[in-house]
Amino acid sequence: IQLTQSPSSLSASVGDRVTITCRATQGISSYLAWYQQKPGKAPKLLIYGATTLQSGVPSRFSGSGSWAEFTLTISSLQPEDFATYYCLQVNSFPLTFGGGTKVEIK
Amino acid sequence: EVQLVESGGGLVRPGESLRLSCGASGFTFTTYAMHWVRQTPRKGLEWISSMVGTGGRTFYADSFQGRFTISRDNSKNILYLQLNSLRDDDTATYYCAKGSEYSGSSHIDFWGQGTLVTVSS
Repeated sequence: IQLTQSPSSLSASVGDRVTITCRATQGISSYLAWYQQKPGKAPKLLIYGATTLQSGVPSRFSGSGSWAEFTLTISSLQPEDFATYYCLQVNSFPLTFGGGTKVEIK
Repeated sequence: EVQLVESGGGLVRPGESLRLSCGASGFTFTTYAMHWVRQTPRKGLEWISSMVGTGGRTFYADSFQGRFTISRDNSKNILYLQLNSLRDDDTATYYCAKGSEYSGSSHIDFWGQGTLVTVSS
């Protein structure tokens, strides 16, 4: 199962609403997770089960979608949100990651 | 507090071997699947292998089957990754990661800090 993220990068301002899409080459039910990674750091879990917010993650992050199309939304971008975001499917082996979306400051 | 601490990375020559270790604490090790993932600037995040909680079942990406071996010592709470016949394109940061459930196909809910493996002559 391949995951295609779009866009691969975006520029946005603090306060903007940001949407990132992850498309799977076949249905994966809701077995999708989203991660945030900052330079030099390990990824951090944001969303699992396509829509469930990980404990401690700000509520401005949300996930939606099912089957083969998923979205990560940041409702109001904050300075600490500038990072790269990845999706991961765990519906079946081999587990696969999307190519990443880099969110940069406009 | 969950902690995963990788070690064992370094500089090796093509064809050589390396064993990575990941010490786990802060959770019941045998209850959760564990994973190895690597990252390069060119290929991004790549899943390598997973092992279920008690170690009975393992899963590998085709690219690494037969060359890399995952194992775990549940008495010491340590996850291992044996890397054999290393190539230049195995140069990457290797992450140990904790699954959210016992089974292998569970999302990753925590990552170690990573260990850098450099393969170069």
